[in-house]
Amino acid sequence: DAKTTQPPSMDCAEGRAANLPCNHSTISGNEYVYWYRQIHSQGPQYIIHGLKNNETNEMASLIITEDRKSSTLILPHATLRDTAVYYCIVRVFNTGTASKLTFGTGTRLQVTL
Amino acid sequence: EAGVTQSPTHLIKTRGQQATLRCSPISGHTSVYWYQQALGLGLQFLLWYDEGEERNRGNFPPRFSGRQFPNYSSELNVNALELEDSALYLCASSYLNTGGHGYTFGSGTRLTVV
Repeated sequence: DAKTTQPPSMDCAEGRAANLPCNHSTISGNEYVYWYRQIHSQGPQYIIHGLKNNETNEMASLIITEDRKSSTLILPHATLRDTAVYYCIVRVFNTGTASKLTFGTGTRLQVTL
Repeated sequence: EAGVTQSPTHLIKTRGQQATLRCSPISGHTSVYWYQQALGLGLQFLLWYDEGEERNRGNFPPRFSGRQFPNYSSELNVNALELEDSALYLCASSYLNTGGHGYTFGSGTRLTVV
């Protein structure tokens, strides 16, 4: 699985958009970008994933650059409850098989009043 | 639908003892993954079980072992406990064909070795 690079920490004011970048310059054509978050001392929670098109769900939006070497997770209106460590993971999505997720160090997002 | 459940929530053991951690996956999920998260560190992959067999193993010594039962629940055993084994142990489950978004994590077992 390709490695990812994320800033160690970011701050965001409550109510503003939080834009979390991820660099995955060695991503392969069949690798997806996944985002998880981990709120203090809880298990990680799936947020969103995508291959090459931008994706949006009720939690967030995922913007993937055209060359797929980087992506941005957008939390449109951050709240204090979004304070967490956010992990960007790239891995192959194999229908018919399952494989482990490899977590990096992530970005610690601090949402403030 | 019940989520992934782990027991116990907290466990305190003495160095040299054995610890057994348990995980019940979401109904219908056949794969179980174990991760270790030491304080302030990231998640380190430990073990992956699917259909009762060990499919993959992380860079951990043999004293970390486990098994998966016919009902797909799983146990993680840590023998000869060392102080550095103190960590949050997380279990996740998934079903084939669901890719990364199909992973659901439990709330973990916090193991403290004294």
